[in-house]
Amino acid sequence: QVQLVQSGAEVKKPGSSVKVSCKASGGTFSSYAISWVRQAPGQGLEWMGGIIPIFGTANYAQKFQGRVTITADESTSTAYMELSSLRSEDTAVYYCARQSGAGISAGSFDYWGQGTLVTVSS
Amino acid sequence: QPVLTQPPSSSASPGESARLTCTLPSDINVGSYNIYWYQQKPGSPPRYLLYYYSDSDKGQGSGVPSRFSGSKDASANTGILLISGLQSEDEADYYCMIWPSNAWVFGGGTKLTVL
Repeated sequence: QVQLVQSGAEVKKPGSSVKVSCKASGGTFSSYAISWVRQAPGQGLEWMGGIIPIFGTANYAQKFQGRVTITADESTSTAYMELSSLRSEDTAVYYCARQSGAGISAGSFDYWGQGTLVTVSS
Repeated sequence: QPVLTQPPSSSASPGESARLTCTLPSDINVGSYNIYWYQQKPGSPPRYLLYYYSDSDKGQGSGVPSRFSGSKDASANTGILLISGLQSEDEADYYCMIWPSNAWVFGGGTKLTVL
């Protein structure tokens, strides 16, 4: 059974960066795209970007271009999402999700991490 | 990014059916896209329910009951999630999702209340 386990909650200052990890187990890591989705308090879901670990190529939502970096380490089956220049509006729960296909545009988000709360506050 | 429009709330009684809609903007033809549906309960990550492209191209998430089904209304440019035989455990937020071009887009979500 595939499991995605994310790193713990973070509190960050405005202007700083945060890096969230997502460790996969129980399945083939490299062959499936991993996406990152965030959810601000009381709000809906927002796709940030995704990566295909076997290729190391990432695709980002236009809104986050230049501020987000998504990487993957095949040796540890771990994906990372780093968001920089944090502001209060970035306070949200950040989820990783494994897709059912090998491409970022392919397939459903079948497996989800438990979520990581990132709070941005001075 | 295109906006997928979902009614903020919907309600129905146990045993009845709930029809949740996801309307695409007029410049995106619903007939050309897979519509994905997710369920989210408070404090939990979303759960994949199903996708629908056509009656011959659709898929159910693992363990998702068959009373959850998808369809489209081309005349309204809308994707539909139908939940039949509503149960109290179906009370949740429901999100639609598509890949129109270069990015995944979610609808704003519908909060379903089972009265």
